[in-house]
Amino acid sequence: GNSVTQMEGPVTLSEEAFLTINCTYTATGYPSLFWYVQYPGEGLQLLLKATKADDKGSNKGFEATYRKETTSFHLEKGSVQVSDSAVYFCALSGGSNYKLTFGKGTLLTVNP
Amino acid sequence: EAGVTQFPSHSVIEKGQTVTLRCDPISGHDNLYWYRRVMGKEIKFLLHFVKESKQDESGMPNNRFLAERTGGTYSTLKVQPAELEDSGVYFCASSPRVAGELFFGEGSRLTVL
Repeated sequence: GNSVTQMEGPVTLSEEAFLTINCTYTATGYPSLFWYVQYPGEGLQLLLKATKADDKGSNKGFEATYRKETTSFHLEKGSVQVSDSAVYFCALSGGSNYKLTFGKGTLLTVNP
Repeated sequence: EAGVTQFPSHSVIEKGQTVTLRCDPISGHDNLYWYRRVMGKEIKFLLHFVKESKQDESGMPNNRFLAERTGGTYSTLKVQPAELEDSGVYFCASSPRVAGELFFGEGSRLTVL
């Protein structure tokens, strides 16, 4: 079955530091890959997505590249801000299976 | 435009009691999903409605859980009787079409003592 493994947190960084949250997946076929973010007191929001190999999703300064050869979709940001503090979830949906499979989530705290 | 709203935001009940969670999807979204995150674990799919019909309930853990979507508008998820392992955050999401972007609510946190 499908599965997602992401870097366990918590991750604590200083403002303007570089961020990487690792995510690898197992899936049959050609899944679509997603990063969702949950800010404190809010619902899950789609941060970015990629639907095929070598696609790069980007939003709000965050990027992730769909790497089929390494089955990875690592999230990166060059310079984090305090407002980026949130829980980040890597997820996939496989082929005609619309259901999302999530990783466990990574809590990011950015200090001023 | 209002987003997906869920009620209550937090419910604390004792083992054996009943709890009903409610989800109001974005107006016009025929697809409604329930997901659950048990503490420290992944967010997992519970079920999917298309309008008032259950399209897929393969993720429902057992028959103590009952989901309904009367009239194809809001949905309720009832847990009866609640057990300790039911504690977690229950997320509702809606989308205008299957495999479209999901819009999530803030979640309902359930604590069973």
